[in-house]
Amino acid sequence: AQSVSQHNHHVILSEAASLELGCNYSYGGTVNLFWYVQYPGQHLQLLLKYFSGDPLVKGIKGFEAEFIKSKFSFNLRKPSVQWSDTAEYFCAVNDRSGTYKYIFGTGTRLKVLA
Amino acid sequence: DTGVSQDPRHKITKRGQNVTFRCDPISEHNRLYWYRQTLGQGPEFLTYFQNEAQLEKSRLLSDRFSAERPKGSFSTLEIQRTEQGDSAMYLCASSLLAASTDTQYFGPGTRLTVL
Repeated sequence: AQSVSQHNHHVILSEAASLELGCNYSYGGTVNLFWYVQYPGQHLQLLLKYFSGDPLVKGIKGFEAEFIKSKFSFNLRKPSVQWSDTAEYFCAVNDRSGTYKYIFGTGTRLKVLA
Repeated sequence: DTGVSQDPRHKITKRGQNVTFRCDPISEHNRLYWYRQTLGQGPEFLTYFQNEAQLEKSRLLSDRFSAERPKGSFSTLEIQRTEQGDSAMYLCASSLLAASTDTQYFGPGTRLTVL
């Protein structure tokens, strides 16, 4: 069965620290990969996505993610976090051969200390 | 605002009552998805529509749940005889499927509390 694992459930960083959130998926076919962010009191917003091509994708607000096919990973990075990055981050995959429904990870709560 | 909208944003009901939620997708989007999110979890797929056709239902969707998308526009999700375990955030998303890609845009959700 398809699954997505986010190993870091809670992360606390100081401003200007670097961020890397892990995401691993289990699926045998071709997938699209996504990172969504949910700021406090707001709805899920798309940070970035990977469909094909360059495995290093850049998203909004200085975030980037790297798709490593051999490791089934799609880790999210940001070189220097800000207090406003405090939010919950979700990794998701969908398959290209069926419904395109998302399989989400359990999310990572990031708290950035000012 | 041309994003996905959901109504109501909050619903408190007593066990055994029926509830109905509405989702208005981004216009021209041909796909509409429903997800459920409980505390500490990521959203879980419930069902989806392509235009007006409901093409897949998750095993999470018991017989008490029904969804419609008449005319391929807005969608409703009804829960009959609510149970306390139905308490969750119900999310709607829409997308325009094209060339093996599908980016879903989410609404604010309806938070259901069953007493």
